[in-house]
Amino acid sequence: EAQVTQNPRYLITVTGKKLTVTCSQNMNHEYMSWYRQDPGLGLRQIYYSMNVEVTDKGDVPEGYKVSRKEKRNFPLILESPSPNQTSLYFCASSLQPSTEAFFGQGTRLTVV
Amino acid sequence: AQKITQTQPGMFVQEKEAVTLDCTYDTSDQSYGLFWYKQPSSGEMIFLIYQGSYDEQNATEGRYSLNFQKARKSANLVISASQLGDSAMYFCAMRAGSSNTGKLIFGQGTTLQVKP
Repeated sequence: EAQVTQNPRYLITVTGKKLTVTCSQNMNHEYMSWYRQDPGLGLRQIYYSMNVEVTDKGDVPEGYKVSRKEKRNFPLILESPSPNQTSLYFCASSLQPSTEAFFGQGTRLTVV
Repeated sequence: AQKITQTQPGMFVQEKEAVTLDCTYDTSDQSYGLFWYKQPSSGEMIFLIYQGSYDEQNATEGRYSLNFQKARKSANLVISASQLGDSAMYFCAMRAGSSNTGKLIFGQGTTLQVKP
């Protein structure tokens, strides 16, 4: 089954404790993105990747890092999480920049 | 600047009736794509329908259709014969053709509740 898989689905952590949210897709897509969803703001792009070893900042990259060492995986790293990074996070992939994006199940992160 | 506007924070519809969710967009690009996604209470984002800016026909996918009015820059979603399972938040999104980032620009969403 074609899918984008994120882990974990839920995470509560403390300020400053490094964490990684994993994302994996099995559709051989080149384009992958991370979004965060906040009430009243919709979804905003954090980082994107056009292919292996090619990543760039989206609209809200501060406090986040990503890597793309393999085509299928695109982890999101929070080196020192802060409470303002409490949000619902989505990983998405698409075959081309113009085609529909397939989303993971979402990761609900709470930073206390 | 590119922007998506959804002016209806919440909507109600009676089961089996049709409902229209509004979406207007702003872009200076000639080539762009418009998408609708459904987000149930479980949180996942489900792709519903796509309309390209050069498509002459309105997109349809089962009970979903997209009423695309290019001159008015609107891309309304029409759900026919509403079902209880259609209760969810719906997002309109746009991808500019000039962008190679794959970024989707989202509206703020419309919460739809289907009444039995």
